[in-house]
Amino acid sequence: EIVLTQSPGTLSLSPGERAALSCRASQSVSSNYLAWYQQKPGQAPRLLIYGASSRATGIPDRFSGSGSGTDFTLTISRLEPEDFAVFYCQQYGSSPVTFGQGTKVEIK
Amino acid sequence: EVHLVESGGGVVRPGGSLRLSCAASGFTFDDYGMTWVRQVPGRGLEWVSGINWRGSSTDYADSVKGRFTISRDNAKNALYLQMNSLRAEDTALYYCARLRAKVAWHYMDVWGKGSTVIVSS
Repeated sequence: EIVLTQSPGTLSLSPGERAALSCRASQSVSSNYLAWYQQKPGQAPRLLIYGASSRATGIPDRFSGSGSGTDFTLTISRLEPEDFAVFYCQQYGSSPVTFGQGTKVEIK
Repeated sequence: EVHLVESGGGVVRPGGSLRLSCAASGFTFDDYGMTWVRQVPGRGLEWVSGINWRGSSTDYADSVKGRFTISRDNAKNALYLQMNSLRAEDTALYYCARLRAKVAWHYMDVWGKGSTVIVSS
């Protein structure tokens, strides 16, 4: 099973700042099959990024994904008030599908 | 509009059974694999099970293998999760989600709002 470790656990930033979230895999993710999700309190997760760097439909271009192999990054170029949430990475390159433990981006 | 609506959650005693359902609308159901993901309140996401587009291939997390069964009825646009021998650690919010492929595991592009399962004596 591929273990995904997200860091930091919590990121305290102000609106307008840049956020960089890390997701590190215990072994190489096949075909860079890595996705990112955003979850706000009381809501279901929302797909942001798939294939490590492809934005899902309707996702603003301030969200970008990068990385390959075992190291992946989600970057939010300028935080908007609605972006503060918990973010999860997920690998789907091999079974079982696994999620990282999440990074909370909170308002400083 | 694409929708997934879960139902069937509730309170059950340890060792009991429950069947979750997920009603799909707004898309061609049998064009997609489907999956169940659960979340303990305040905790992270845990993949539970997945099924391919025609129900011929399924996959399970080790934590539920042998106890849970995923199935689908394409004629009814419905996904199911039969949960037997339930344990306290199965208590969670269970999400139904659409996979962006026909296979049993992939990334999830549409999610329901979830159905709560509480296992308690």
